[in-house]
Amino acid sequence: GIQVEQSPPDLILQEGANSTLRCNFSDSVNNLQWFHQNPWGQLINLFYIPSGTKQNGRLSATTVATERYSLLYISSSQTTDSGVYFCALTYNYNNNDMRFGAGTRLTVKP
Amino acid sequence: GAVVSQHPSRVICKSGTSVKIECRSLDFQATTMFWYRQFPKQSLMLMATSNEGSKATYEQGVEKDKFLINHASLTLSTLTVTSAHPEDSSFYICSARVDSGGHQETQYFGPGTRLLVL
Repeated sequence: GIQVEQSPPDLILQEGANSTLRCNFSDSVNNLQWFHQNPWGQLINLFYIPSGTKQNGRLSATTVATERYSLLYISSSQTTDSGVYFCALTYNYNNNDMRFGAGTRLTVKP
Repeated sequence: GAVVSQHPSRVICKSGTSVKIECRSLDFQATTMFWYRQFPKQSLMLMATSNEGSKATYEQGVEKDKFLINHASLTLSTLTVTSAHPEDSSFYICSARVDSGGHQETQYFGPGTRLLVL
């Protein structure tokens, strides 16, 4: 079946540390997005990245579509980075069915 | 740009009543809107897809008579939870997408509506 697997499920960091979050998927994708869900539930769109590499400040993301994974890098983490990070994607055969991974819950301690 | 709003942000209602949630794309026209539900400490689950002027497509296991969706215009979709029960208490999130004719388009998410049914 359709699989979107995120790892690790939980991550605790000291402020200033770097981290890598991973998203594995099981088929060809036409849309892959990374989101940060803040404590109030708002999904913040971080990257639209079905392939390639993008950077935005301390965050960057890489998707290797041929190997079916995407990585989200967070450098010099801050306490405000805490929250849940979701990878979500749609597969080529159904552009309407956006599947979310289970998320990585990040806690950054001061 | 690409802002999606939801109203109300939070609602508490009695069991048996109906609740309407609005989702609006504020600065773009959304050909397709989506409704998701998220239970505490879980991921988002797609409930239904709606296209302006046509009937919504519901995911397996989602009761279309209970969760009424109306996509009346390119900037507004509504979700009505009819005869709500405590098990319907959840966080409901909408998203909107501009369909440009290609296959790679970003979805923009609203801030969510927290429903508590007593």
